[in-house]
Amino acid sequence: EPEVTQTPSHQVTQMGQEVILRCVPISNHLYFYWYRQILGQKVEFLVSFYNNEISEKSEIFDDQFSVERPDGSNFTLKIRSTKLEDSAMYFCASSDSGGRGGETDTQYFGPGTRLTVL
Amino acid sequence: KNEVEQSPQNLTAQEGEFITINCSYSVGISALHWLQQHPGGGIVSLFMLSSGKKKHGRLIATINIQEKHSSLHITASHPRDSAVYICAKNYGGSQGNLIFGKGTKLSVKP
Repeated sequence: EPEVTQTPSHQVTQMGQEVILRCVPISNHLYFYWYRQILGQKVEFLVSFYNNEISEKSEIFDDQFSVERPDGSNFTLKIRSTKLEDSAMYFCASSDSGGRGGETDTQYFGPGTRLTVL
Repeated sequence: KNEVEQSPQNLTAQEGEFITINCSYSVGISALHWLQQHPGGGIVSLFMLSSGKKKHGRLIATINIQEKHSSLHITASHPRDSAVYICAKNYGGSQGNLIFGKGTKLSVKP
């Protein structure tokens, strides 16, 4: 069964450093998402991406964040200058459609990347 | 406020019990999702529904659009059902980004 993969599984970085989190969505999906979950808290939406551009972003997704689909398979989240409060689990997800209300809206999640900022 | 509320926050059950987890939301939706988060952190989509009822194995999800309420039921619960169950909604009109509830931590004892 196709699945979303994410690398690395755990990233440790120093405050102020740049990190790139990588995701390979399911190959025929068209909509891509990044979410984050701070330890002990609920999952929060960061950004959605469709047709090579950002569709929607949350207040969390400020100028320190960027997303890119550099080739036909990868989808990346870059944090330019990490802060302590960026420490969280970051989940990538993909879906065939977005917001239509049908089964193809089902989002498939990757296993997550745990980011630790020291 | 566009939020998703779940209850209970924590639930402990004996193996075999019938379990109900509730979800309510404040603003209209295009779809409501139920997801399962394993102890290791991975998230799996269980159901997506916009009306009525869906069943998959021992899991049943229902939604009442008028009352803005959904329930997830687990019949004949088993210790392997122990996980966090999360309700999330599509924000209608968006590209499918989800607004999540805080989750219900279920522990099923043998």
